[in-house]
Amino acid sequence: EAGVAQSPRYKIIEKRQSVAFWCNPISGHATLYWYQQILGQGPKLLIQFQNNGVVDDSQLPKDRFSAERLKGVDSTLKIQPAKLEDSAVYLCASNPIRGRANEQFFGPGTRLTVL
Amino acid sequence: AQSVAQPEDQVNVAEGNPLTVKCTYSVSGNPYLFWYVQYPNRGLQFLLKYITGDNLVKGSYGFEAEFNKSQTSFHLKKPSALVSDSALYFCAVRGGGEYGGATNKLIFGTGTLLAVQP
Repeated sequence: EAGVAQSPRYKIIEKRQSVAFWCNPISGHATLYWYQQILGQGPKLLIQFQNNGVVDDSQLPKDRFSAERLKGVDSTLKIQPAKLEDSAVYLCASNPIRGRANEQFFGPGTRLTVL
Repeated sequence: AQSVAQPEDQVNVAEGNPLTVKCTYSVSGNPYLFWYVQYPNRGLQFLLKYITGDNLVKGSYGFEAEFNKSQTSFHLKKPSALVSDSALYFCAVRGGGEYGGATNKLIFGTGTLLAVQP
């Protein structure tokens, strides 16, 4: 089966610019996550969707970050405006509701550098 | 609050020797524990999980982990290390409520870099 797809793989922007990341989860996976991984740290959840509804966005900086999953399939994460501290790898993950529901499948990530 | 700790930033081991990567956890209720591996410029790959049952869990690539409730530990082990095992290893605990209910986000440790020397 195809894995979680993310694009772009790399992005370099200047502070105060905007950026968007795209994720396509594994087909049939109802749950989708966006994690932020700062260098030297473990991934931290930004937002979790189940289908097109938000389950948890408690750690999403809502003044600058937004995410949507309008049709319950692919998702977009946006940062506007970006700050230097947003430099990180943004990981998308998905899992099914049943079967291997406790395993999250991760995409390759998008490495963001904010200058 | 749920948390995990990985006390070692780096573990060095010679090829062919056994390896252990340490993890301790703090949870309320029964823990759902995981190990993931991250190779350079790649996403995280699932290695194994403990939900319930046997305390010794076997996973991918010959790795196993031992759940110890009294010591609140979930150490990752392999009997014989390979150079190709060199990577960043993350322990994680599932946050939130029961399965099918609240968020099941993963809360990760800070990672341990495993370096296997030939």
